[in-house]
Amino acid sequence: QSVVTQPPSASGTPGQRVTISCSGSSSNIGSNFVFWYQQLPGTAPKLLIYRNDQRPSGVPDRFSGSKSGTSASLAISGLRSEDEADYYCATWDNSLSGSWVFGGGTKLTVL
Amino acid sequence: QITLKESGPTLVKPTQTLTLTCSFSGFSLSTRDVGVGWVRQPPGKALEWLALIYWDDDERYSPSLKTRLTITKDTSKNQVFLTMNNMDPVDTATYYCAHSTTTVGPFDQWGQGTLVTVSS
Repeated sequence: QSVVTQPPSASGTPGQRVTISCSGSSSNIGSNFVFWYQQLPGTAPKLLIYRNDQRPSGVPDRFSGSKSGTSASLAISGLRSEDEADYYCATWDNSLSGSWVFGGGTKLTVL
Repeated sequence: QITLKESGPTLVKPTQTLTLTCSFSGFSLSTRDVGVGWVRQPPGKALEWLALIYWDDDERYSPSLKTRLTITKDTSKNQVFLTMNNMDPVDTATYYCAHSTTTVGPFDQWGQGTLVTVSS
């Protein structure tokens, strides 16, 4: 059971806008940056969003991140079939001696 | 271009020690702010962070696995090693190494992963 929580699934139709949430606490999301990763089937994860809302070069601007308080969100606009993947949020947790923590992942289905 | 590749045994027996190697190119672990970490993923399950080592030898470990893990580096050979002792079937997973920086954050480039099965 992760200290940051994501919905296990999300879905949308092509062209739609979908959001995936990541909920934590003051010891993690509330005081640290949030990162988002996309994992296409059978492949390694790929960094999608860093430091809450920054996109690495090469990531389409259809992907955007935001953070408010102890929650964060990943938004995907203009949904495409190739966006069907697992999405993970990650952040640093200050409790104990500190650690990187991942959310449980959200499987996005494009209907 | 940054690349990373994991290598090691595909099958280990329970109670044995696992040693994985991450061989990388395109960056140096002697460069300020750079690190290499390990993340695993059991089949069909979520990602789990294991350990991370920085250019200045700072080592960080998952609190829940800290007693079983050791991360080391050989800067001259562009390699990072992860040892995990007392392996158990629940440790069956794909193990990834990934590049990190303190400026961008964790795991901005990943290796392809290596599947390790723990079974007698």
